[in-house]
Amino acid sequence: NAGVTQTPKFQVLKTGQSMTLQCAQDMNHNSMYWYRQDPGMGLRLIYYSASEGTTDKGEVPNGYNVSRLNKREFSLRLESAAPSQTSVYFCASSDNLVGLAGVLEQYFGPGTRLTVT
Amino acid sequence: RKEVEQDPGPFNVPEGATVAFNCTYSNSASQSFFWYRQDCRKEPKLLMSVYSSGNEDGRFTAQLNRASQYISLLIRDSKLSDSATYLCVVTTSGTYKYIFGTGTRLKVLA
Repeated sequence: NAGVTQTPKFQVLKTGQSMTLQCAQDMNHNSMYWYRQDPGMGLRLIYYSASEGTTDKGEVPNGYNVSRLNKREFSLRLESAAPSQTSVYFCASSDNLVGLAGVLEQYFGPGTRLTVT
Repeated sequence: RKEVEQDPGPFNVPEGATVAFNCTYSNSASQSFFWYRQDCRKEPKLLMSVYSSGNEDGRFTAQLNRASQYISLLIRDSKLSDSATYLCVVTTSGTYKYIFGTGTRLKVLA
């Protein structure tokens, strides 16, 4: 079991370039999430997908798009990178038993460190 | 007001000390609660879920106080390896969103 994997681990982009961050999980989880983490700001939700075929905006969606390719994979795309998008990006997944025990814990990938110059 | 608030610290404690962190949440409909640990430049990892009756895992004890809307984490007999940032996480009934506090930094000193 690899858990949650993310690629790439590090990336440097120039302003205006585009890229896609990849995330995959092998735990058969329904929900997947993309967060960014900046110093002093904590983890902020960019987008999430409660189940295959659905996506929803989180707290800071501007400048990003997502695709839930299948149950395993959830990608995050920056169409035109800006220096304000310099951050550490974490993908997470969870399984949900809403109505019974609430939601279960999230599992995180190792993160992608993105610098936009 | 932030949905989930934590004292950022740092809490500097000697080895062997007992230390406690609190985390307050603003939404009374909050349903599930967790403590995560995050080491420098690493991903958050689940430390423990917080149950209504409180729960203990070795040196770690978590409590939930719904009336006052806070959760707590107590660490006994602190080890150097406990040095990390501790994140409080809250979910709200009817959503799949996890709300993170900004974390409390702990440094255990030799």
